[in-house]
Amino acid sequence: EDQVTQSPEALRLQEGESSSLNCSYTVSVLRGLFWYRQDPGKGPEFLFTLYSAGEEKEKERLKATLTKKESFLHITAPKPEDSATYLCAVPYSGGGADGLTFGKGTHLIIQP
Amino acid sequence: ETGVTQTPRHLVMGMTNKKSLKCEQHLGHNAMYWYKQSAKKPLELMFVYSLEERVENNSVPSRFSPECPNSSHLFLHLHTLQPEDSALYLCASSQDPLAPNEQFFGPGTRLTVL
Repeated sequence: EDQVTQSPEALRLQEGESSSLNCSYTVSVLRGLFWYRQDPGKGPEFLFTLYSAGEEKEKERLKATLTKKESFLHITAPKPEDSATYLCAVPYSGGGADGLTFGKGTHLIIQP
Repeated sequence: ETGVTQTPRHLVMGMTNKKSLKCEQHLGHNAMYWYKQSAKKPLELMFVYSLEERVENNSVPSRFSPECPNSSHLFLHLHTLQPEDSALYLCASSQDPLAPNEQFFGPGTRLTVL
């Protein structure tokens, strides 16, 4: 059974204080790993897709990396507007038009 | 309209009511999904439609009934719900039903069952 575990559950940082969020996964076949950002009361917003170990993607202050067992979302010099819940997800190993298995997310708060 | 839209945004219903949630995607995608998001739990996949055919029913109770009349529209019909069904219901779409690719989500419908 596919599993996705995110840590920490919550993280409070000062503005400008860099850190990393972790996503550990267990799948029979890795068909991609997705990162999303979710603001309160809204749907998840797509950030990155990673397909193979060693791959990296960047967007503004965010960088996502992937190994064979986990992915990290690095946030550099964050600003208050980066406060959100960050979700990672993997496609079901069964293939086809499958849904995503999500982790519970990391609730990130950036204090000014 | 752009992206994925959902109506209504908020819904309060009694356990004996019948209501429907609507989703429309303006992205030209070929797969659509319903997810449930409850407090303190990860998003849970409910239904998958690929090219208007249902391909996944993730052990969802029969009081939830999906309908996909075409590739742009998806409905979730609700009847005799329970209070534990209160949650954020999210619709998503993706481009290729045969390959893993990013899903784009709507804003959700916040459902409260009294």
